[in-house]
Amino acid sequence: EAQVTQNPRYLITVTGKKLTVTCSQNMNHEYMSWYRQDPGLGLRQIYYSMNVEVTDKGDVPEGYKVSRKEKRNFPLILESPSPNQTSLYFCASSLSGRGRNQPQHFGDGTRLSIL
Amino acid sequence: AQTVTQSQPEMSVQEAETVTLSCTYDTSESDYYLFWYKQPPSRQMILVIRQEAYKQQNATENRFSVNFQKAAKSFSLKISDSQLGDAAMYFCAYRRGPGTASKLTFGTGTRLQVTL
Repeated sequence: EAQVTQNPRYLITVTGKKLTVTCSQNMNHEYMSWYRQDPGLGLRQIYYSMNVEVTDKGDVPEGYKVSRKEKRNFPLILESPSPNQTSLYFCASSLSGRGRNQPQHFGDGTRLSIL
Repeated sequence: AQTVTQSQPEMSVQEAETVTLSCTYDTSESDYYLFWYKQPPSRQMILVIRQEAYKQQNATENRFSVNFQKAAKSFSLKISDSQLGDAAMYFCAYRRGPGTASKLTFGTGTRLQVTL
């Protein structure tokens, strides 16, 4: 089954403790992206990757890191999490980053709480 | 920068009735895509319908249809014969045309309630 898998689904942690949210897709997609969803703000892009070893900042990259060493994986790293990073996070992928009308497939989301 | 505006934070519709969710956007580009996503309580992001700006015909998917007014930069979603399972948050999203990165710009969402 074609899917985008995020782990964990839920995480409660404390300020400053490094964490990684994993994202993996099995569709051989080139393009992957991370969004955060906050009430009243919709979803905003954090980082994206057009292909292996190619990543770039989205609209709200501060406090986050990403890497794309393999095509299928695109982890989101919070080196020193802070309470303002408490949010619902989504990973998404599409076949190509520049193609015509290619829908993005979303993971099921990760609810992150930073105390 | 592109912006997407959903001016209705909440809407309510009775089962079997029709409801229209509004979305406007701002762009200087002529080729782009528009989407409606549904987010039920399970939090999944489910693509409901999509529209390519160069196509004049409004997209339709079963009970879901759009009214795409390019000149007015309006992209409303009509849900006919509403069902209890349609209750969800609905997001309108914009994507720039081909040859550009696939970033989606989302509106702030409209929460739809479906009542008996």
